[in-house]
Amino acid sequence: EAQVTQNPRYLITVTGKKLTVTCSQNMNHEYMSWYRQDPGLGLRQIYYSMNVEVTDKGDVPEGYKVSRKEKRNFPLILESPSPNQTSLYFCASRSTYRGRNQPQHFGDGTRLSIL
Amino acid sequence: TQLLEQSPQFLSIQEGENLTVYCNSSSVFSSLQWYRQEPGEGPVLLVTVVTGGEVKKLKRLTFQFGDARKDSSLHITAAQPGDTGLYLCAGLAYSGAGSYQLTFGKGTKLSVIP
Repeated sequence: EAQVTQNPRYLITVTGKKLTVTCSQNMNHEYMSWYRQDPGLGLRQIYYSMNVEVTDKGDVPEGYKVSRKEKRNFPLILESPSPNQTSLYFCASRSTYRGRNQPQHFGDGTRLSIL
Repeated sequence: TQLLEQSPQFLSIQEGENLTVYCNSSSVFSSLQWYRQEPGEGPVLLVTVVTGGEVKKLKRLTFQFGDARKDSSLHITAAQPGDTGLYLCAGLAYSGAGSYQLTFGKGTKLSVIP
């Protein structure tokens, strides 16, 4: 089954404790992206990657890091989490090989609470 | 950064009523996608419209792309409780260096009351 898998689904942690949210896709997609979704603000892009070893900042990259060492994985790293990073996070992927209008496939989300 | 304004933000209607959700921008998009998101899940693509003036139908849902490719609408006929969810529009635009980026609207939260 084609899917984007995020882990963990839920996490409660404390300020300053480094954490990583993993994302893996099994569709051989070139493009992967991270979003955060907040009430009243919608989906905002954090980082994206056009392919292996190619990453770029989205609209709200501050406080986050990413890496793309393999095509299928795109982890999101919070080196020193703060309460304002409490949010619902989504990983997404899409093919760019078949043209630009391909659908974006989303994971089921990670609800992150930073105390 | 392109901006997409969605309206209304919230919509609560009775089963059987019709409704329209709007997605507007001052920017031109290569295409526009509509997604539906249910609680606890990620958004799922409903449709992509590419050509200015294009109309696509998905059962009781009708999607239209504006002639100038700056706006879009989603019309639901005879809404049912199963239509309840968050509807998101997303515009695809060229962002340079061979890259196309999706910009999402803030969404319309639809509740259909039985």
